[in-house]
Amino acid sequence: KNQVEQSPQSLIILEGKNCTLQCNYTVSPFSNLRWYKQDTGRGPVSLTIMTFSENTKSNGRYTATLDADTKQSSLHITASQLSDSASYICVVRPSGGSYIPTFGRGTSLIVHP
Amino acid sequence: NAGVTQTPKFQVLKTGQSMTLQCAQDMNHNSMYWYRQDPGMGLRLIYYSASEGTTDKGEVPNGYNVSRLNKREFSLRLESAAPSQTSVYFCASSVLEDTGELFFGEGSRLTVL
Repeated sequence: KNQVEQSPQSLIILEGKNCTLQCNYTVSPFSNLRWYKQDTGRGPVSLTIMTFSENTKSNGRYTATLDADTKQSSLHITASQLSDSASYICVVRPSGGSYIPTFGRGTSLIVHP
Repeated sequence: NAGVTQTPKFQVLKTGQSMTLQCAQDMNHNSMYWYRQDPGMGLRLIYYSASEGTTDKGEVPNGYNVSRLNKREFSLRLESAAPSQTSVYFCASSVLEDTGELFFGEGSRLTVL
């Protein structure tokens, strides 16, 4: 069964600090891996997308990495802001048949002033 | 550009009552999805529609029915609501042949007493 595991489940940091969120997956073969940001009371919004051949992808202060050999991805947030407080969800889309993505349970990030 | 619109945003039901959640998208996407999100469980797929005229069960379909009314609209029906169906429901859409980015609505918070 395809699985996506995220850690930590929750994280509290001070404004201005950096943090890294982890995602391990078993989906194989896969088409792409996305990180979504979900603000409280809103629907998730895509932050980054990475394909099998990509190692790093940046979107402003967000940098995603992918190691397809170990089936691990990380999302690094630099110089955190209060607006970064949200849930971050790792989503892996398979290839070769089923296109239904597998969702991780998310990491809840709280940034304190 | 409204994107994905869900109605209602909030609903309280008594056990055994029925209701329909409505979803419409204006992005000309061919695929639409219904998810439920519960604390600690992440987003779980209830039903999806790969294209107009087709629907398929997801991970947690029991107690729900869906209708793909046309390319724009995809509704979710609870025939006899149960307290276990208390959740936040999200509708999403995507272009199946593309990278599969999911565009989510704002969510519908349902409480079953």
